[in-house]
Amino acid sequence: NAGVTQTPKFRVLKTGQSMTLLCAQDMNHEYMYWYRQDPGMGLRLIHYSVGEGTTAKGEVPDGYNVSRLKKQNFLLGLESAAPSQTSVYFCASSSRNEQYFGPGTRLTVT
Amino acid sequence: ILNVEQSPQSLHVQEGDSTNFTCSFPSSNFYALHWYRWETAKSPEALFVMTLNGDEKKKGRISATLNTKEGYSYLYIKGSQPEDSATYLCAFNNYGGATNKLIFGTGTLLAVQP
Repeated sequence: NAGVTQTPKFRVLKTGQSMTLLCAQDMNHEYMYWYRQDPGMGLRLIHYSVGEGTTAKGEVPDGYNVSRLKKQNFLLGLESAAPSQTSVYFCASSSRNEQYFGPGTRLTVT
Repeated sequence: ILNVEQSPQSLHVQEGDSTNFTCSFPSSNFYALHWYRWETAKSPEALFVMTLNGDEKKKGRISATLNTKEGYSYLYIKGSQPEDSATYLCAFNNYGGATNKLIFGTGTLLAVQP
């Protein structure tokens, strides 16, 4: 099993550009999450999903959109990137217990 | 606003030392407390999920305790080794099992010197 995978691993964007980060899991988990991790701060929840076709806002949702069209995939979109969105993004999935994390995507917005 | 506090922020110990760190969380509406180990350049990995007051869990040289009434959990590492060097995160779930949403602390960075 691959567990949780994320693409891409690294990306540099210019302000105003858009992109989509892909998260995939092969553990048949119902729940999936997108977090961002910034220096001196804990992992902060952006959006999450409790099942295929459902999404909900987390702690810091502004500037991001998500979709969960298939159970195994959770997409995070940035419509118009801003330098404040420079961060490391982690995807996670879970059943009802521990969360399993992907390797992260390092995004720089210039 | 729900806050999860971890202390200390960082810790430097010698190989063989035993150490412990603290996670504080709101004591109301408790559902579960998670501990994760996060090595540099990797992703967080679950150590423990604890749900009952008085829970104690152990994995090798690492153990954790939980006090939900006063809102704290301790993580203990016995006989620290250089490979224990990592950031240890705790995360609090008061939303229940319907979402398994977690609120993370900022972590304790442990460095074990050989």
